[in-house]
Amino acid sequence: AQKVTQAQTEISVVEKEDVTLDCVYETRDTTYYLFWYKQPPSGELVFLIRRNSFDEQNEISGRYSWNFQKSTSSFNFTITASQVVDSAVYFCALQTGANNLFFGTGTRLTVIP
Amino acid sequence: KAGVTQTPRYLIKTRGQQVTLSCSPISGHRSVSWYQQTPGQGLQFLFEYFSETQRNKGNFPGRFSGRQFSNSRSEMNVSTLELGDSALYLCASTMGQALQTQYFGPGTRLLVL
Repeated sequence: AQKVTQAQTEISVVEKEDVTLDCVYETRDTTYYLFWYKQPPSGELVFLIRRNSFDEQNEISGRYSWNFQKSTSSFNFTITASQVVDSAVYFCALQTGANNLFFGTGTRLTVIP
Repeated sequence: KAGVTQTPRYLIKTRGQQVTLSCSPISGHRSVSWYQQTPGQGLQFLFEYFSETQRNKGNFPGRFSGRQFSNSRSEMNVSTLELGDSALYLCASTMGQALQTQYFGPGTRLLVL
């Protein structure tokens, strides 16, 4: 069975602070993809990043960075120098074998000006 | 390129009625997936359509159904609405092969009274 756990329900930070969102996943498949999506108040899920199970190279894209560790089944997401526009719900998701996604419960990030 | 579009954006129905939601994928995308998002259950996969055929299905009752047309546009139908069907229904599209990034539309907010 596939499972994604986002233990942090809500996080509040002051603008310009760094924040890390945690994601732990479970799957018995050897080939899978991990995703982060952002959901602003408008409701649309915005794709941020995708990582496949064979690529543990960590990535930095502007203020965003991702840390993928198969040994701990974790795929964490860090926002550096947070901004008010980063306020949203962030979802980690797992994809195995087909196109459907298994989502975590989301982490609501509030950036206080 | 235009993104995924969903109509209507908001809908109010009463128990027992039926409803049809529409999704137009990104141009060139042939797979459409539907998800239900509720505060209690989170984001859950409903079904996926590819080349007018249901390719994958989540764990939802038969009241939830869908179809896809030759131009890849998809509709989902919910019959005999229940209060618990109140949710944000999100549609996502991909090119069609497995394990691809899903791009989401803005969703349809359904309220069942």
